[in-house]
Amino acid sequence: DSGVTQTPKHLITATGQRVTLRCSPRSGDLSVYWYQQSLDQGLQFLIQYYNGEERAKGNILERFSAQQFPDLHSELNLSSLELGDSALYFCASSAGTSYEQYFGPGTRLTVT
Amino acid sequence: AQSVAQPEDQVNVAEGNPLTVKCTYSVSGNPYLFWYVQYPNRGLQFLLKYITGDNLVKGSYGFEAEFNKSQTSFHLKKPSALVSDSALYFCAVRDYNDYKLSFGAGTTVTVRA
Repeated sequence: DSGVTQTPKHLITATGQRVTLRCSPRSGDLSVYWYQQSLDQGLQFLIQYYNGEERAKGNILERFSAQQFPDLHSELNLSSLELGDSALYFCASSAGTSYEQYFGPGTRLTVT
Repeated sequence: AQSVAQPEDQVNVAEGNPLTVKCTYSVSGNPYLFWYVQYPNRGLQFLLKYITGDNLVKGSYGFEAEFNKSQTSFHLKKPSALVSDSALYFCAVRDYNDYKLSFGAGTTVTVRA
């Protein structure tokens, strides 16, 4: 158990809908990262937050957005969902002085 | 831009034999290198990292990796593989001044009894 929690574990929704994925980092970790894992794209970095502020952006679509709250938990919002958004979404966290990231169990999103 | 290549989609070894999973990387600055393992329907687990110092780094579950700057490689090794090592292994890299991790496509390791 990495100490990173993600909810929900599974999510099934229809095209055009909007969903919110939630992540709680390890105790004390200030950085949160979001990744998307799909069969065709592999593991792709989406976005990073550090202590509430966006620090780095990767291959994140404009339909996707994220935020980190004062209690350090983070939410990833996915809107106008398409079939191709079906994937595993991972959250990871790291301490300020640590280099490695610790991953949560992921949320499996299925868009029908 | 940074990138990682894992040239083998699959590696098959017999239990008790040495295991090697290959990784090469490309970064503009000094690399920070990582290995992660993913079991079915689970998140990624951190195995080991190279930041600086000794080129041979030791990690969890008896795994080690060797950093080779001239060959831009960071191969994962285990002297004696176990059936329970069967999983998907990812190599990842980040530049020293960038927090974004770039992952390889992954290598599926199967250890047969």
